[in-house]
Amino acid sequence: SQQGEEDPQALSIQEGENATMNCSYKTSINNLQWYRQNSGRGLVHLILIRSNEREKHSGRLRVTLDTSKKSSSLLITASRAADTASYFCATEGAGTYKYIFGTGTRLKVLA
Amino acid sequence: GAGVSQSPSNKVTEKGKDVELRCDPISGHTALYWYRQRLGQGLEFLIYFQGNSAPDKSGLPSDRFSAERTGESVSTLTIQRTQQEDSAVYLCASSSSGGGRGEQFFGPGTRLTVL
Repeated sequence: SQQGEEDPQALSIQEGENATMNCSYKTSINNLQWYRQNSGRGLVHLILIRSNEREKHSGRLRVTLDTSKKSSSLLITASRAADTASYFCATEGAGTYKYIFGTGTRLKVLA
Repeated sequence: GAGVSQSPSNKVTEKGKDVELRCDPISGHTALYWYRQRLGQGLEFLIYFQGNSAPDKSGLPSDRFSAERTGESVSTLTIQRTQQEDSAVYLCASSSSGGGRGEQFFGPGTRLTVL
């Protein structure tokens, strides 16, 4: 069964606004990663958060992880038109090497 | 090389034929992953290699699918007797450390169309 489920499925915002995407999963994990995919650049790694971490920052990105709720959120601040893409969370199940990707959130940033 | 490369970029085949997809990981990366992505969907894990051994093959959808890796280099994904439902983009990724301790670098994918 699919581990990662992103919410919302689609999100449309104005440039300069913040975008928040959520990911839920079902079993214990080693770590959770967020990826971006657009037609021009393929899949690009954004950030990795380990199961013993609660929050990480990278530039305009902020990721939180709540292992008790089995959920993560990705916040993109001050969004730009170039942030338009699909965003996926990927979880590595504890004790496995398997990465499970969610169905993604399609973000559209309007200029 | 500079990044993960995959070939061919596009493959159109007839139902029932065999296809072979190739992945060249980043030099020195010990971990290699294969995924399948159907149109408008997320990635579906197929198989993971650490070096040339495959500790996790659980994602391979059927015995028509197989994969090999030569040392810590090239990997090939073979699909025998292709079916229309095999149509998808097949993505390969490599990582400098296995077990998800490092980020995965993805190739551009092979778009497979089975007629």
